[in-house]
Amino acid sequence: QKEVEQNSGPLSVPEGAIASLNCTYSDRGSQSFFWYRQYSGKSPELIMSIYSNGDKEDGRFTAQLNKASQYVSLLIRDSQPSDSATYLCAVNVRWGSGGGADGLTFGKGTHLIIQP
Amino acid sequence: DGGITQSPKYLFRKEGQNVTLSCEQNLNHDAMYWYRQDPGQGLRLIYYSQIVNDFQKGDIAEGYSVSREKKESFPLTVTSAQKNPTAFYLCASSRGTGIYNEQFFGPGTRLTVL
Repeated sequence: QKEVEQNSGPLSVPEGAIASLNCTYSDRGSQSFFWYRQYSGKSPELIMSIYSNGDKEDGRFTAQLNKASQYVSLLIRDSQPSDSATYLCAVNVRWGSGGGADGLTFGKGTHLIIQP
Repeated sequence: DGGITQSPKYLFRKEGQNVTLSCEQNLNHDAMYWYRQDPGQGLRLIYYSQIVNDFQKGDIAEGYSVSREKKESFPLTVTSAQKNPTAFYLCASSRGTGIYNEQFFGPGTRLTVL
């Protein structure tokens, strides 16, 4: 069973601080990694994708990938109350055998609370 | 305005009823997916389709059926065989099913069994 693990939280961070969200995955063959943000009662929204080891920055968001450690993280700088949401980590896996398709396995998410 | 639409937003089902959830996309994406989300749980894949007239079972396909007659549409039927259908149902699409497939989600349908 290919798994994606996240701390469910809640993770409470003061406004203006850096929020750090972590994710580990079991499939060493995974090559692409995604972070989704999900507000309560809403659908997930893609916010970051990362494919190579190292850091990828987009505005206040930085995704970090370490394939050797099977670890991916999301940093949110200058956290705002509007960042309060559940963050889902998703990792590509191969569905089926032989020429099967690549799909995503999702973690259960980390609930982030930004305290004003 | 490109995107994915799902309808209805809320759906109530009586015991023994089949219901169909609609999913339409105008992103010209080849691949479409159905997920189920329960409180405190991750997304679980029900069915996916890589191309028109083809679809594959996901992890929890029992009690569900789909069709893919048009590229834009991927309706999901929740049959009476699905014993615990109350959940948040999410449709997604992606350009393809390769390694770099970024999946985009519709707004979801919340199904409740009465």
